[in-house]
Amino acid sequence: AQSVTQLGSHVSVSEGALVLLRCNYSSSVPPYLFWYVQYPNQGLQLLLKYTSAATLVKGINGFEAEFKKSETSFHLTKPSAHMSDAAEYFCAVSEAGGGNKLTFGTGTQLKVEL
Amino acid sequence: DAGVTQSPTHLIKTRGQQVTLRCSPKSGHDTVSWYQQALGQGPQFIFQYYEEEERQRGNFPDRFSGHQFPNYSSELNVNALLLGDSALYLCASSNYYEQYFGPGTRLTVT
Repeated sequence: AQSVTQLGSHVSVSEGALVLLRCNYSSSVPPYLFWYVQYPNQGLQLLLKYTSAATLVKGINGFEAEFKKSETSFHLTKPSAHMSDAAEYFCAVSEAGGGNKLTFGTGTQLKVEL
Repeated sequence: DAGVTQSPTHLIKTRGQQVTLRCSPKSGHDTVSWYQQALGQGPQFIFQYYEEEERQRGNFPDRFSGHQFPNYSSELNVNALLLGDSALYLCASSNYYEQYFGPGTRLTVT
């Protein structure tokens, strides 16, 4: 069975500071991993995905994530936070390609302060 | 490209009623999945349709059923609504590599 744990339901950073959102996964097979962002009253937008190619994955809006098998982690980072990054972020895992069942974490609400 | 569209945007129903939600997939996608997102939670997988058949199902009761039409659009039906069914229902269409989500339907059960 697959599962995702997101540490920290709320993260607050200053504008211009490093963003680090944590995600650990459990999977019985090599996983496909995803980060999605959700703005208020909207659906989910894909930020980036890991599909067993390069372990450092670059996504949209300056976000990137590194797949670390030994730590079963897929943390999301951005060097410099912007006010527009304030949103909820979800990590998700799939065991059979990104088009199949996604198992999501409980989400991390990112707040960006001036 | 219109992306994934869902209707209606919002819906209010009474306990015990039945509801139908609709989804049109992104152009070129033949697979549709449905997720339930309760307030403050991550989305939970309900089921997935491919070639008009239910291919995968999550841990949801039989009150939740679906359908996929020949044009790949899909419906989610929920019978005998409970207060706990209040949530944002998300539809996603997909190719092999990733899923594209619609804006969701907010269902409130009173």
